[in-house]
Amino acid sequence: AQTVTQSQPEMSVQEAETVTLSCTYDTSESDYYLFWYKQPPSRQMILVIRQEAYKQQNATENRFSVNFQKAAKSFSLKISDSQLGDAAMYFCAYKGGFGNEKLTFGTGTRLTIIP
Amino acid sequence: NAGVTQTPKFRVLKTGQSMTLLCAQDMNHEYMYWYRQDPGMGLRLIHYSVGEGTTAKGEVPDGYNVSRLKKQNFLLGLESAAPSQTSVYFCASSYPTGGSLYTGELFFGEGSRLTVL
Repeated sequence: AQTVTQSQPEMSVQEAETVTLSCTYDTSESDYYLFWYKQPPSRQMILVIRQEAYKQQNATENRFSVNFQKAAKSFSLKISDSQLGDAAMYFCAYKGGFGNEKLTFGTGTRLTIIP
Repeated sequence: NAGVTQTPKFRVLKTGQSMTLLCAQDMNHEYMYWYRQDPGMGLRLIHYSVGEGTTAKGEVPDGYNVSRLKKQNFLLGLESAAPSQTSVYFCASSYPTGGSLYTGELFFGEGSRLTVL
């Protein structure tokens, strides 16, 4: 079974600074998807960024980017120019390719933004 | 544009009572999921469905049953609630893997907080 590990239960960063959240995963598959979801206090799950394993180029969405290291099975999230609205729980998630329809989540990292 | 709607949003039960959580999606998604979220444990998959009339067990299925009689609805039932089932429950849906619209993204409801006393 696939596992997703987030080793940082809590992180904090000064407003406007950069922070990196770590995620590692375990799989024997070659085709899969990786995600970062954000959960603000409203409880709504919001997709931040997505990476397909077959793509070597790291995904980027505005201030959010990932460092995808397939051989190391690592998928970290970098948030640049941190804003107060970035404060939330961040979950890393893994989904296998065709035939594996389950999304497996890590335990989450709570990010605090210091004004 | 409702997306994924969960009913009810909050519920308090006594041990041994039964209840059903309803999830409805209006995006014509094939796949639907029920997760529970507990502090320090992330989201754990209870049951899921890859199409109308199908269901499958996830990581923590014990004590729950599901049904997918209509494509747009996915019901989660607790036959005899226990305090260990106190949690926040999330429903999600997505397009099927390999389809032209597939991105892997799950679309989530707002969650349902269930307390079992």
